[in-house]
Amino acid sequence: AQTVTQSQPEMSVQEAETVTLSCTYDTSENNYYLFWYKQPPSRQMILVIRQEAYKQQNATENRFSVNFQKAAKSFSLKISDSQLGDTAMYFCAFGGSGTYKYIFGTGTRLKVLA
Amino acid sequence: NAGVTQNPKFQVLKTGQSMTLQCAQDMNHNSMYWYRQDPGMGLRLIYYSASEGTTDKGEVPNGYNVSRLNKREFSLRLESAAPSQTSVYFCASSQWTGWWNIQYFGAGTRLSVL
Repeated sequence: AQTVTQSQPEMSVQEAETVTLSCTYDTSENNYYLFWYKQPPSRQMILVIRQEAYKQQNATENRFSVNFQKAAKSFSLKISDSQLGDTAMYFCAFGGSGTYKYIFGTGTRLKVLA
Repeated sequence: NAGVTQNPKFQVLKTGQSMTLQCAQDMNHNSMYWYRQDPGMGLRLIYYSASEGTTDKGEVPNGYNVSRLNKREFSLRLESAAPSQTSVYFCASSQWTGWWNIQYFGAGTRLSVL
């Protein structure tokens, strides 16, 4: 069975600095996809970035980028130029090829300090 | 564009009462999901509906029932609420592409069972 581990329950970063959130996963599959979702205090789950396992190039969306290490089964999220609006809970999620279901990590609570 | 709409946003029940959580999506997605979110445990899948007319159990289905009323609507029913069902409930939808899907979430329902 697949598992997703986020080992940092809480993190903080100064505004305008860079922070990296860690995620590791375990799977025997070769084709899969990974996601980072953001959950601000409003509770709405917002897709931040996604990565297909067959792609070697790391995904980037504006200030958000990932470091995808397939052999190490690691999928970290880097937030550059952190903003107060980035304060949220961040969830890493695994989706297996051919399955509808996601496996979520337990989340990392990020606080951006002014 | 409303996306995924959940009602109600908040609810307090007494032990043994029943209620139905409503979810509707306007993105013409074929798949819909119900999750619960508990502190320190991420999101766990309760039930999902891969397509209209089908439903399947997820990781934590006990105490719940679902109905895929039509392509747009997917409801979650608690027949006899228990304090252990106090949680935040999220509905999501996705369009199955053939081997992967991106799930879009509603704003959640905070349920307290006293």
